[in-house]
Amino acid sequence: SQELEQSPQSLIVQEGKNLTINCTSSKTLYGLYWYKQKYGEGLIFLMMLQKGGEEKSHEKITAKLDEKKQQSSLHITASQPSHAGIYLCGADIRSGGSNYKLTFGKGTLLTVNP
Amino acid sequence: DTGVSQDPRHKITKRGQNVTFRCDPISEHNRLYWYRQTLGQGPEFLTYFQNEAQLEKSRLLSDRFSAERPKGSFSTLEIQRTEQGDSAMYLCASTLLPSTDTQYFGPGTRLTVL
Repeated sequence: SQELEQSPQSLIVQEGKNLTINCTSSKTLYGLYWYKQKYGEGLIFLMMLQKGGEEKSHEKITAKLDEKKQQSSLHITASQPSHAGIYLCGADIRSGGSNYKLTFGKGTLLTVNP
Repeated sequence: DTGVSQDPRHKITKRGQNVTFRCDPISEHNRLYWYRQTLGQGPEFLTYFQNEAQLEKSRLLSDRFSAERPKGSFSTLEIQRTEQGDSAMYLCASTLLPSTDTQYFGPGTRLTVL
């Protein structure tokens, strides 16, 4: 089974609507990273969370790491077509941070209809 | 632009041929990672370098794969005797530890093996 589970796998929303993407791990998350990817391109770094209860925002995107550090959510407020893409969560869940290699979820494909 | 760069962006080759990809990390970044991403999946860790030393290789990295980072700057990933199963996006990321553990990704090299 996938070590990092993302939900939903895909999401279609109308422009202006809010949405939430979840990332759940079976192990403690020592660093949780959110990236955005356009089809066929590289990953663009959005935010990094480390402490339980931590919340960060950038423009209309907010990410949270729950207190038990095993789940994170990404919330987009008033979505725009520019938010469309694949959202990936990545985390070091094996060694507590010694090599910092990332394990990724399968991603959430977001479509925003104008 | 001083981000991570990768070359080539696309490579089409015939089964059995050798291919080599190059990654130029962000200047002064001491750690460099290679990941592989197949369609509908998140990136999977292949290997990483701390300066010029290759410190870990995934089981995904068969004997046909070799990576180098000779001067601790750019890195190359070579695949010998390519197979159709090698078709994927190969992503490179870099970071500067201990200042930050955020990995910044390049645009990737898409390999198609015919």
